[in-house]
Amino acid sequence: KQEVTQIPAALSVPEGENLVLNCSFTDSAIYNLQWFRQDPGKGLTSLLLIQSSQREQTSGRLNASLDKSSGRSTLYIAASQPGDSATYLCAVPPFPQGGSEKLVFGKGTKLTVNP
Amino acid sequence: NAGVTQTPKFQVLKTGQSMTLQCAQDMNHEYMSWYRQDPGMGLRLIHYSVGAGITDQGEVPNGYNVSRSTTEDFPLRLLSAAPSQTSVYFCASSWGPVIDTQYFGPGTRLTVL
Repeated sequence: KQEVTQIPAALSVPEGENLVLNCSFTDSAIYNLQWFRQDPGKGLTSLLLIQSSQREQTSGRLNASLDKSSGRSTLYIAASQPGDSATYLCAVPPFPQGGSEKLVFGKGTKLTVNP
Repeated sequence: NAGVTQTPKFQVLKTGQSMTLQCAQDMNHEYMSWYRQDPGMGLRLIHYSVGAGITDQGEVPNGYNVSRSTTEDFPLRLLSAAPSQTSVYFCASSWGPVIDTQYFGPGTRLTVL
């Protein structure tokens, strides 16, 4: 059974710092991995989706990497801003029985960026 | 596009009451899912659907029913509410099975007394 772990559970940094969020998964035979952002009291917003054949995806100040063999993904946030404060979740489909309709989520990392 | 919409935003029930959480999407997505989010437990899959007329159970299906009569709608029914069902419920949809992004609704916060 696929399990997803995110460490640390919470992270507090000063504005402007570059930071890395970590995600690990137990079954390396994944189709893809998604990173989501969740603001308090809100739904999830997809940030990046990395296919199993890719090693990196970039969107603005965000860069996500994927190392299937080691069961790890990282989300790099450059030049952090207070508006980046949110909970960041990673999720993978449970290969081989399914895809995006039944993602397995980590518990998230709560990021606080202090002005 | 409104995306994925959920109603109501908040609901308080008494133990034993039944209710339906509504979910609709206007993106013509085939795949729809219901998750619940609890502190310390993360998001867990309740039920999902890969098309109209096709539903299946997720990780925590007990106490919930679903049906999918149209592509747009995927309601979640609580048959007899229990305090253990106090949670935030999210509906999500996507185009297809493997390579697609999931789009989430804003959630329904349910309290069962």
